[in-house]
Amino acid sequence: GAVVSQHPSWVICKSGTSVKIECRSLDFQATTMFWYRQFPKQSLMLMATSNEGSKATYEQGVEKDKFLINHASLTLSTLTVTSAHPEDSSFYICSAAYSDGGEQYFGPGTRLTVT
Amino acid sequence: DAKTTQPPSMDCAEGRAANLPCNHSTISGNEYVYWYRQIHSQGPQYIIHGLKNNETNEMASLIITEDRKSSTLILPHATLRDTAVYYCIVRSRGGFNKFYFGSGTKLNVKP
Repeated sequence: GAVVSQHPSWVICKSGTSVKIECRSLDFQATTMFWYRQFPKQSLMLMATSNEGSKATYEQGVEKDKFLINHASLTLSTLTVTSAHPEDSSFYICSAAYSDGGEQYFGPGTRLTVT
Repeated sequence: DAKTTQPPSMDCAEGRAANLPCNHSTISGNEYVYWYRQIHSQGPQYIIHGLKNNETNEMASLIITEDRKSSTLILPHATLRDTAVYYCIVRSRGGFNKFYFGSGTKLNVKP
């Protein structure tokens, strides 16, 4: 149980375009989802926390207007990278938690390449 | 911000126990220790967590020192598939508190 999926698994887009990444909890309801970014040979960096039906909370230094997060239901959160640039190329990973104090379950990640 | 310190890399022979240390000297009484691992280009996988008692599950054992300032993850019989980056994370008890990942330990299991 506790499976999280992401779509797409990889995407290539041109500079200036927007890209949407979906994160779904397949077999449980996730009140809270988290978005991370990971550059090559680096650790995961928390970008934002999203709760169903409310605005996301962004970590310091993360541009909320550039990384739009929507958590429309208990099983779906989306991250939209707007006006993407090559420096946004990274591995984006989501996670979901379904209970107070429970561990986070991670998706397989989405590799974004901006050309 | 990450509140843990781990060695950057460790080697282990296949079939032997792998002991991965983590220092969390500023841990508070209401904070758990979580361990995850990340195999190359995949999402992190949950391994185990604990508060103050030692814990064991089908994957690993977690030994937390009495003062809770450090812990050790033990993989009893490492296999080549255990080669990964292992992250030790301190997380507050209760609520949907965040994970701040440190740099982790790259475990290399060798034949």
